[in-house]
Amino acid sequence: GENVEQHPSTLSVQEGDSAVIKCTYSDSASNYFPWYKQELGKRPQLIIDIRSNVGEKKDQRIAVTLNKTAKHFSLHITETQPEDSAVYFCAASKDFNKFYFGSGTKLNVKP
Amino acid sequence: SAVISQKPSRDICQRGTSLTIQCQVDSQVTMMFWYRQQPGQSLTLIATANQGSEATYESGFVIDKFPISRPNLTFSTLTVSNMSPEDSSIYLCSGEQGYNEQFFGPGTRLTVL
Repeated sequence: GENVEQHPSTLSVQEGDSAVIKCTYSDSASNYFPWYKQELGKRPQLIIDIRSNVGEKKDQRIAVTLNKTAKHFSLHITETQPEDSAVYFCAASKDFNKFYFGSGTKLNVKP
Repeated sequence: SAVISQKPSRDICQRGTSLTIQCQVDSQVTMMFWYRQQPGQSLTLIATANQGSEATYESGFVIDKFPISRPNLTFSTLTVSNMSPEDSSIYLCSGEQGYNEQFFGPGTRLTVL
């Protein structure tokens, strides 16, 4: 089955700096890669996703890049704000099937 | 996006008892899933809830322990049977409306004494 690895496990940045979280996957057939943000005690919320037919997608301060050859994808958050502090999960999926989640990254944005 | 609710939001149960968690979606979804999340950990898929047929379980999870029903396209239940303290966790359901996007319920925080 699919194996998704996520790094780093914790990330601390100064407000206004950029944050990058990286994930690798093992199954070359995976074709959908979502990112979820989970605040303490809350449900995971989809923040951005990318499909295997594109290499990059942006939504305001958030972007995701995908390298299919290397089988890795990354989340980029620019101009970080304290409200970006949360746990972020990447996931991989194929063909409308189940998700395999990474282990999570706890992002702390210091004011 | 679909709005998903779960009941109960939390419960404290005695060892050996069972708890049924309900998941309700405000619109029809293609797929529904059940996850378990230990505090500070990632989400682990328990099973795919199939409408009108038996659920598909992941390795390490069995129907006798986690029976699942999905009578229609907007509702599913997960039962945690014969509970032990190791079953203490947050249980989340999710629904997929197409194009792979999954939306999660708020979770049920279960404590087994």
